[in-house]
Amino acid sequence: DADVTQTPRNRITKTGKRIMLECSQTKGHDRMYWYRQDPGLGLRLIYYSFDVKDINKGEISDGYSVSRQAQAKFSLSLESAIPNQTALYFCATSVGGGLYEQFFGPGTRLTVL
Amino acid sequence: GENVEQHPSTLSVQEGDSAVIKCTYSDSASNYFPWYKQELGKRPQLIIDIRSNVGEKKDQRIAVTLNKTAKHFSLHITETQPEDSAVYFCAASGSGGGNKLTFGTGTQLKVEL
Repeated sequence: DADVTQTPRNRITKTGKRIMLECSQTKGHDRMYWYRQDPGLGLRLIYYSFDVKDINKGEISDGYSVSRQAQAKFSLSLESAIPNQTALYFCATSVGGGLYEQFFGPGTRLTVL
Repeated sequence: GENVEQHPSTLSVQEGDSAVIKCTYSDSASNYFPWYKQELGKRPQLIIDIRSNVGEKKDQRIAVTLNKTAKHFSLHITETQPEDSAVYFCAASGSGGGNKLTFGTGTQLKVEL
C-alpha cells in the first residue's frame, strides 16, 4: 500500500548536535509537511512544500531547516539541537488540487538531552 | 495568521452517550475544516471534514456542524463506543485554502464502559 514513512522512529541526541529526520512517501503526492506535536499544544506546522522547488515556513520554523530532495522525499534538520526541541515530529502529505486530506507518517520521537 | 481554539481539552463520557467537541477560528477566509483522530501511539487520521459552503455533514455516528457567522465548528459523536477513545484535533485552513492547516490543541476523549 502507498504510505508515508519516517526515519528514524526514535532518536536521542545531545544539545548542540545536528540532527536530520527523513520522510519518504510512495503516494505520489506533491505536497509535504513537517509538524511537531507537544502535549497540550496540538500539531504545529514547521515547514511545508507544495513541489520540489517550493519551500515555505510554517508557524514555528526557527531552529529548523528543510530540504525537498525529490517529490517523494522531504527532510527536516535541526542544525544545533536544544532541549525544547524534544517532541514528536510528524511528516504529512497531500495531493493538492482541491483535495486537502493530509496523510501522516508514523512519527519520530526526538529527545534532546 | 489563523488561530484555532479547541474545547474541552479532556472529555469523559459513558459508552452510548454523545460527545461534542467545539472549535473556534479567527480568520474569516478559512474555508476548510477537517477533524483528525489520533489513537494512542498512532498517527493522526482524517475522520470527517467540511467546507464553508456546507453547514452540516454526517458520516454514520459522526457529524460536523459549521457556523461561519460565529466562526465556530463542532464535532458530534453519537452512541460512543470504547474505540472512539482517542485524541481529536480540529483544524482550519486560513486564507491559503485547504492546503495549509492550523490545528487546535486537541481533545482527549475517553469512553468509559
